[in-house]
Amino acid sequence: DIQMTQSPSSLSASVGDTITITCRASESISTFLNWYQHKPGKAPEILIFAASTLQSGVPSRFSGSGSGTDFTLTISSLQPEDFATYYCQQSFNFFTFGGGTKVETK
Amino acid sequence: QAQLVQSGAEVKKPGSSVKVSCKTSGDTFDTYALSWVRQAPGQGLEWMGGVIPRFASTNYAQRFQDRLTITTDESTTTAYMELSSLRSEDTAVYYCARDRYSGNGRSYGFDNWGQGTLVIVSS
Repeated sequence: DIQMTQSPSSLSASVGDTITITCRASESISTFLNWYQHKPGKAPEILIFAASTLQSGVPSRFSGSGSGTDFTLTISSLQPEDFATYYCQQSFNFFTFGGGTKVETK
Repeated sequence: QAQLVQSGAEVKKPGSSVKVSCKTSGDTFDTYALSWVRQAPGQGLEWMGGVIPRFASTNYAQRFQDRLTITTDESTTTAYMELSSLRSEDTAVYYCARDRYSGNGRSYGFDNWGQGTLVIVSS
């Protein structure tokens, strides 16, 4: 099974900050890497698929990069609605989620 | 926006089974795969398994292989997730999700999700 290691597990930030979350796969997954935002009491929502493609309707302050084993999600100019938990997911060989990154207010 | 509508919350005894439904559209059934994901309290997201309705083909995560069954009903475009031999650790919110499956076990992610179904396992 492909393991996904996400870091950090949590971070504190302020509105307007730029933050970066990283995700590492235990083996190469090409660009089959997706990012989700999850808020309490709601279903997760996809932000980025295929490592760097922005899902329709997602603000452009979200961006993704990487290939092979190392990936990043960047949120520029953090907005109040962005405080949530973020998950990476490999979809190269079925699916594995990373452990999640909780973004909290500083 | 496709709608995935799940059945309501369940309370089950240890050792019993639970069956959660996910009502979808015909387009979803014809074109996409469907996956089931759960989140236990205080834990992250966990993929359990999935189905390609048009092929009636299923795949399960290894840890659920022996007690998870995913089925579909084409006449109602509904998918079902049945988990047996329930234990307290199965207490979680269970989600169905539309999977942009591209073949050979690969996908472009889950672009639509059901609202989630809380399953509580307690004696």
